[in-house]
Amino acid sequence: GAVVSQHPSWVICKSGTSVKIECRSLDFQATTMFWYRQFPKQSLMLMATSNEGSKATYEQGVEKDKFLINHASLTLSTLTVTSAHPEDSSFYICSAIPRGGRTDTQYFGPGTRLTVL
Amino acid sequence: GDSVTQMEGPVTLSEEAFLTINCTYTATGYPSLFWYVQYPGEGLQLLLKATKADDKGSNKGFEATYRKETTSFHLEKGSVQVSDSAVYFCALAAGGYNKLIFGAGTRLAVHP
Repeated sequence: GAVVSQHPSWVICKSGTSVKIECRSLDFQATTMFWYRQFPKQSLMLMATSNEGSKATYEQGVEKDKFLINHASLTLSTLTVTSAHPEDSSFYICSAIPRGGRTDTQYFGPGTRLTVL
Repeated sequence: GDSVTQMEGPVTLSEEAFLTINCTYTATGYPSLFWYVQYPGEGLQLLLKATKADDKGSNKGFEATYRKETTSFHLEKGSVQVSDSAVYFCALAAGGYNKLIFGAGTRLAVHP
């Protein structure tokens, strides 16, 4: 089946630094990718939707200058957490919809755990 | 706004026990409903779905029926296996079918 990878799987950084998380669709082209954030024992919260070659659409309350999303190609989207602080510590999950697919055909990555010290 | 509420876990069962994980939703219009499963170390996978009232989604022995009158989509399995141990997420897609809204997830642990 379709596979989505994320790199790194976990990262620890110091407060004030920036961290980049990659999301790749390994065996299909993804016209749309989503970024979610998950707090412990809470649901996945959609942060933004990115379409290849255009600016990401952010959900209400998500700081676009804080969470930079770049969907540079049909197989790669990146999320950069800029000037990270401890409150940004979370589990970040991406998903991707194949070309021509719908919401229920989105494939999820395994997630990246970010810890900001 | 639209939301999904599912029972808190963890749910701990013995092998071959009956499983129910409750899920209720709030949405305007007529959403599509989903159950996703996340096995340890892996991404979420679609387990089953239902797109209209009274539809029953089924897969791998799991079933869920779209109940509009009770706004529910409870997940059931008649006989669980150790390999079913995972986190289960109920979700809905509404408003043009362009994004998913998830419940908090329920961790299931099945013991031999």
